[in-house]
Amino acid sequence: QVQLVQSGSEMKEPGASVKISCKASGYSFRNYPMNWVRQARGQGLEWMGRIKTNTGDATYAPGFEGRFVFSLDTSVTTAYLEIRGLKTEDTAVYFCAPRLHGSGMDWGQGTLVTVSS
Amino acid sequence: EIVLTQSPDTLSLSPGDSATLSCRASQSVGFTYLAWYQQKRGQAPRLLIYGGVSRAAGIPDRVRGGGSGTDFTLTIDRLEPEDFAVYYCQVYGTSPSITFGQGTRLEIK
Repeated sequence: QVQLVQSGSEMKEPGASVKISCKASGYSFRNYPMNWVRQARGQGLEWMGRIKTNTGDATYAPGFEGRFVFSLDTSVTTAYLEIRGLKTEDTAVYFCAPRLHGSGMDWGQGTLVTVSS
Repeated sequence: EIVLTQSPDTLSLSPGDSATLSCRASQSVGFTYLAWYQQKRGQAPRLLIYGGVSRAAGIPDRVRGGGSGTDFTLTIDRLEPEDFAVYYCQVYGTSPSITFGQGTRLEIK
């Protein structure tokens, strides 16, 4: 079955960087782009963008250009989200989510990133 | 960019009732591009409906998606305690963006 296992919670100071991983299994990793979604505490879901897993081509939603970087290691079917120059407002849960079912996505369990001095 | 507006923000019902959640798009959307998710506190969203009407694996047939154009609905019959959660609609658009509604909280009355 499909499994999306994300790395554990992170606590960082403002200005630092963090890199979250998403290990995928149970489906053909290169056939489905990987999306990233942010959810701040008590808020809704916000699409950050996606990376094509066959080419590495990344598309970022408005507001997520510059400090946010998607990458892949296809040899281990893993997608990564790096956030540089962390700000307190980056505190949120980050989900990886491949669109495996037409319009619908499967989800990793989420990674909480807390940015605080 | 398509904007999705869900209503109501909160729906208070009792177990055994039927729930109808609405999702309105700012422009016409092919129903095959619409999905619905359930999210419980502290958990990742769970896919319920994709392609507007198709149930994801393990989703019971008392959960139904419908609608067309700009108006879509998620109907849950015979509510069970585990159905009380937050529900999001989502559209997969061109270029290749994804947009979520703001969510509807289904709470026990």
